[in-house]
Amino acid sequence: DAGVTQSPTHLIKTRGQQVTLRCSPKSGHDTVSWYQQALGQGPQFIFQYYEEEERQRGNFPDRFSGHQFPNYSSELNVNALLLGDSALYLCASSLGQGAQETQYFGPGTRLLVL
Amino acid sequence: GQQVMQIPQYQHVQEGEDFTTYCNSSTTLSNIQWYKQRPGGHPVFLIQLVKSGEVKKQKRLTFQFGEAKKNSSLHITATQTTDVGTYFCALPPRGSTLGRLYFGRGTQLTVWP
Repeated sequence: DAGVTQSPTHLIKTRGQQVTLRCSPKSGHDTVSWYQQALGQGPQFIFQYYEEEERQRGNFPDRFSGHQFPNYSSELNVNALLLGDSALYLCASSLGQGAQETQYFGPGTRLLVL
Repeated sequence: GQQVMQIPQYQHVQEGEDFTTYCNSSTTLSNIQWYKQRPGGHPVFLIQLVKSGEVKKQKRLTFQFGEAKKNSSLHITATQTTDVGTYFCALPPRGSTLGRLYFGRGTQLTVWP
């Protein structure tokens, strides 16, 4: 039973470029949340997808967008990259949107913006 | 948004000593979750507390939810080098049942052999 998987594991981009990160949820899970974790900080919620729609959004600009596919996998897109976007991007999956549901995190994608 | 304070930010202990991290909120919580993140790794779910005054144990780890459901603690007895990592508490949004989590800044634990 595969856990949450993310690709790529590492990525280096330059300012102004665009990036797409991918996530496959744990088998049986239908909800995907994305978090950004800067060095030395706790994860910050970006948004959550359920039934192929963005259901909740954190305090992130419109440069951050996402998508969920019928198989529940998800993508995170970031446009016009800034140096401050350098971080670990984590995908978490759960069964349902409820706050009581356990979220299982993937290994993350480490993005470096130069 | 939800405000959560976690202390201490860093803790260095000798192997065999105990360790405690505290998480405090200004509002009453519906539940609180604890995660562990090893250096270079990702957060791994440890436990969820829901009931007022709840105490749960996992081997050497003891988790407690305050009577007022505004604070929580994680206590590790007789630390081992495998306990190294950052421990986060995570809260649901105030007044909401939806699944976004607010994470504390974490307590980074270092264990000297």
